[in-house]
Amino acid sequence: DVKVTQSSRYLVKRTGEKVFLECVQDMDHENMFWYRQDPGLGLRLIYFSYDVKMKEKGDIPEGYSVSREKKERFSLILESASTNQTSMYLCASSPRDRASGELFFGEGSRLTVL
Amino acid sequence: AQSVTQLGSHVSVSEGALVLLRCNYSSSVPPYLFWYVQYPNQGLQLLLKYTSAATLVKGINGFEAEFKKSETSFHLTKPSAHMSDAAEYFCAVTGGSGNTGKLIFGQGTTLQVKP
Repeated sequence: DVKVTQSSRYLVKRTGEKVFLECVQDMDHENMFWYRQDPGLGLRLIYFSYDVKMKEKGDIPEGYSVSREKKERFSLILESASTNQTSMYLCASSPRDRASGELFFGEGSRLTVL
Repeated sequence: AQSVTQLGSHVSVSEGALVLLRCNYSSSVPPYLFWYVQYPNQGLQLLLKYTSAATLVKGINGFEAEFKKSETSFHLTKPSAHMSDAAEYFCAVTGGSGNTGKLIFGQGTTLQVKP
């Protein structure tokens, strides 16, 4: 089975802290994604990556950055956390065959910024 | 550009009743369409997907969806709801064979199943 693992299920941080959310997949997928989930807004794409060291902005990249140094790992970074970044963050991966469209999701990281 | 609208943020049905969750999309290219389910405190799991083959798609747990191009709809149905179907459901679209791998999600519909 495809497994996407997010390092922290629950985090509590203070305003201004730097936050790292880690995601690892074990199926050798080329594509990786970070989404943010908020009630009534569904999932919104923050950043995605098609290959190592490649990244592209999604729909809401402001306040976030990403790192992909290894194929299996995709990190989301909040340089200076703010209260409006309190949310559920979902990592996903998919194979290079982009036409299939199916994403495989981790269980999510719920971040609270105080 | 693709977009997805799910009609109704909350749907409540009795156990054994028909489940109908509505999804309409807009896409400038032939779309691929998906339904995902999210159980409490879990990630998203694929229920079913339409990729330009049969317009009636069967998925897991007795769910199915019908692609209707004339109505730009992809509604999710299940003939008889079970208590275990209580979850949040997301419809998603991508740009078919020319897509970039990104999925655009709807706002989500929470399904409540009453005993």
